[in-house]
Amino acid sequence: DAGITQSPRYKITETGRQVTLMCHQTWSHSYMFWYRQDLGHGLRLIYYSAAADITDKGEVPDGYVVSRSKTENFPLTLESATRSQTSVYFCASSDPSGTAHYNEQFFGPGTRLTVL
Amino acid sequence: AQTVTQSQPEMSVQEAETVTLSCTYDTSESNYYLFWYKQPPSRQMILVIRQEAYKQQNATENRFSVNFQKAAKSFSLKISDSQLGDTAMYFCAFGLRANSKLTFGKGITLSVRP
Repeated sequence: DAGITQSPRYKITETGRQVTLMCHQTWSHSYMFWYRQDLGHGLRLIYYSAAADITDKGEVPDGYVVSRSKTENFPLTLESATRSQTSVYFCASSDPSGTAHYNEQFFGPGTRLTVL
Repeated sequence: AQTVTQSQPEMSVQEAETVTLSCTYDTSESNYYLFWYKQPPSRQMILVIRQEAYKQQNATENRFSVNFQKAAKSFSLKISDSQLGDTAMYFCAFGLRANSKLTFGKGITLSVRP
């Protein structure tokens, strides 16, 4: 499918388990992002990547790990899940070099993660 | 660091009427973009409108328009002829031209009443 996809869409896990959320985009956008959405906080940036093998922390990186070995994939790993990481996670991508969309970010459908 | 403030958590409007959603931001930069994103109950994030800071003309997209006041650092969204499908959460976002990161406000829940 063209666009940006996330998997799984829903995930329930237990405290202490490792969880990986997947993100895949077909546009070859250079930038990719991970956000979490919580009531009262809007969307907060966890990590972002400007290109393959280049990643950087966002506003709330603690407890998360990312990698980007290929341009199209940007997985987010919770190494030891905690209840405070219960949230909706969004992946997004953008192509600042493109003439049409400037800094517009395109979002995946989100993953609802529940940590018990 | 940039901040985005949406001080109204909820608003309600009658179908076919006009509603304005407020957003203020703080930055010391001069080259930036501002966005309004819509998030309906499906959870999908949808770009509504974009404003480039160097353009004085307010952006419009069909029933959606903005009032961009650069000196006041204000960026409000006006929705004309409100429709039931406009019921959603709306997020204001700020982005620097130098990179692609966005800073989001906390969002406002808009309900359109039939």
